[in-house]
Amino acid sequence: EAQVTQNPRYLITVTGKKLTVTCSQNMNHEYMSWYRQDPGLGLRQIYYSMNVEVTDKGDVPEGYKVSRKEKRNFPLILESPSPNQTSLYFCASSLVDSYNEQFFGPGTRLTVL
Amino acid sequence: GENVEQHPSTLSVQEGDSAVIKCTYSDSASNYFPWYKQELGKRPQLIIDIRSNVGEKKDQRIAVTLNKTAKHFSLHITETQPEDSAVYFCAASKVRNNNDMRFGAGTRLTVKP
Repeated sequence: EAQVTQNPRYLITVTGKKLTVTCSQNMNHEYMSWYRQDPGLGLRQIYYSMNVEVTDKGDVPEGYKVSRKEKRNFPLILESPSPNQTSLYFCASSLVDSYNEQFFGPGTRLTVL
Repeated sequence: GENVEQHPSTLSVQEGDSAVIKCTYSDSASNYFPWYKQELGKRPQLIIDIRSNVGEKKDQRIAVTLNKTAKHFSLHITETQPEDSAVYFCAASKVRNNNDMRFGAGTRLTVKP
């Protein structure tokens, strides 16, 4: 089944404790992206990647890191989480050679205390 | 970069009535306009999209219209049903350039039986 997966789905952590949210897709998509969803603000892009070893900042990259060492994986790293990073996070992927439907993962609800 | 505004933020209709959600975009070069539906606790999923060379597209009870001159596009849902209750997001981007896809803030649609 073609899908985007994320882990963990829920995470409660404390300020400053490094964490990683994994994202994986099995559709051979070149493009992958991370969004955060906050009430009244919609989906805001954090980082994106057009292909392996190619990443770039989105609209709200502060406090986040990403890597793209393999085509299928695009982990989101919070080196020192803060309470303002409490949010719902979505990973998405798509092709880049056509009108590009983005396929979203199931979401990760992160709470930073 | 692209900026997408979406209205209204909340919409409540009676079952069987029509619902209209409107979006405006800022970048005249944008040529791909998808709409995503997010049910409670679920991931956003594409329900319909329109390209800039088309003024209207229909798929059963949903339709999207695009006015390139005015830079606005709308989602129309007819004969609404309770299962249409969800958050709807519009988005705008340029083909083959997913890094600039921007989402509206979302509309929470409630269909009352």
